[in-house]
Amino acid sequence: SQKIEQNSEALNIQEGKTATLTCNYTNYSPAYLQWYRQDPGRGPVFLLLIRENEKEKRKERLKVTFDTTLKQSLFHITASQPADSATYLCALNTGNQFYFGTGTSLTVIP
Amino acid sequence: GEEVAQTPKHLVRGEGQKAKLYCAPIKGHSYVFWYQQVLKNEFKFLISFQNENVFDETGMPKERFSAKCLPNSPCSLEIQATKLEDSAVYFCASSQSSGHDSNQPQHFGDGTRLSIL
Repeated sequence: SQKIEQNSEALNIQEGKTATLTCNYTNYSPAYLQWYRQDPGRGPVFLLLIRENEKEKRKERLKVTFDTTLKQSLFHITASQPADSATYLCALNTGNQFYFGTGTSLTVIP
Repeated sequence: GEEVAQTPKHLVRGEGQKAKLYCAPIKGHSYVFWYQQVLKNEFKFLISFQNENVFDETGMPKERFSAKCLPNSPCSLEIQATKLEDSAVYFCASSQSSGHDSNQPQHFGDGTRLSIL
């Protein structure tokens, strides 16, 4: 089955810096990959989707890259703010199922 | 509605008792997914529905777990004879598609925290 690994469980950065989160997967590449944000006590909220034929996707301060050769997606938050502090999950689908990574907890320090 | 509504928010059961969780998907969404989050961030897929039909149940434990999505009713996930290891947050999500060859995101409820004592 598909396995997804996200870099370090926790990432602390200074406000204003760029946060970079990594998502690596095994086995075959999905048609697309999604990134979600999860706050404590809440369900995940969809942020961005990138297709296998797209190298990069941007939305405001967010940027996602997708390298099917490396089987890796990078998620960047530029000009980070304390309000960006949350857990970020990558998810991909194979067949009829979605597989989620274990998440990276991001803390932006004022 | 515009949000996925899960009830109850918290459910406490003694070991061996039955637990039943409910999920009202977003109106117009054909697909419903159930996930189990045991540790902080590990999501385990359980089952998905296309309308009232089971779409994929490969993640469902063979025993004790069952789920339904009936017309004009909230979807439900039922656990019979609960065990301590069933303690988790159970999330429901709905989508306009199954995910395969489609780019529709999943919209999640805020989960039901099930505690088995």
